[in-house]
Amino acid sequence: AQTVTQSQPEMSVQEAETVTLSCTYDTSESNYYLFWYKQPPSRQMILVIRQEAYKQQNATENRFSVNFQKAAKSFSLKISDSQLGDTAMYFCAFLNNRKLIWGLGTSLAVNP
Amino acid sequence: DADVTQTPRNRITKTGKRIMLECSQTKGHDRMYWYRQDPGLGLRLIYYSFDVKDINKGEISDGYSVSRQAQAKFSLSLESAIPNQTALYFCATSEAKNDYGYTFGSGTRLTVV
Repeated sequence: AQTVTQSQPEMSVQEAETVTLSCTYDTSESNYYLFWYKQPPSRQMILVIRQEAYKQQNATENRFSVNFQKAAKSFSLKISDSQLGDTAMYFCAFLNNRKLIWGLGTSLAVNP
Repeated sequence: DADVTQTPRNRITKTGKRIMLECSQTKGHDRMYWYRQDPGLGLRLIYYSFDVKDINKGEISDGYSVSRQAQAKFSLSLESAIPNQTALYFCATSEAKNDYGYTFGSGTRLTVV
C-alpha cells in the first residue's frame, strides 16, 4: 500500500529561525508528484509547494523549500525565517492513481 | 468570491436527521472530492467524482451519499446523521491531470448531537 509518514506530530520554532518538517513515503512508481499543504487556525487548506519526482532540482517558493531525496523516498519541508503566520498544521501528500494520499500532519507553532 | 465554496460553514444537527453539505466551484475543474478531517486521523476520502457521470466511493463512504448535479456542483448527504460523523468536512477540486494538487473549500464543521 502507498503510504505517507510524518514522524513529527508537533514541532515548535522561534520566530526568524529555520525549521524542517519531515515526510517519507512509500511507492513503487517512478514518476509522481508530492505536495505540502498548510492548514492555519482558519482551517483553510493551502498548497505550499509541489515537487515533480522526475525533476532533480528541489522546489522553492519564497521562504519554503523542499529537500527531495528520491532514492530515500524523503520529502522534507524547510521553512526559513519563520513568521508567526506560519503557525499551522502541515500535511505532506503524495499523488497516487489520481488521488492524493495524505500524511497525518505536523502541528507547527512559531513562538515570538 | 472563493474558487471553491462550501455551505454551510458550520452546522449542528440532531442524531437521525438528514443533512446535505453543498460544494460549488468556479475553477472549471472536472474532478471533485469530499473529505472528512478528524483530529489525529488526517484527511480521509469519502467520495470522489472525475466527471458528472462518474462517482466513486472513497475509503469511508458508509453512511454517506453524494450527488454531482453539474460539473460545478458536488453535494454530500448524511441520510441519518450519527454522533461519530461529527467532523470537519472538506470539498476539493482538481484538474484532470491532477499534478497541480487540489483546491480546497473552507470546510464545513458538522456537529451531530
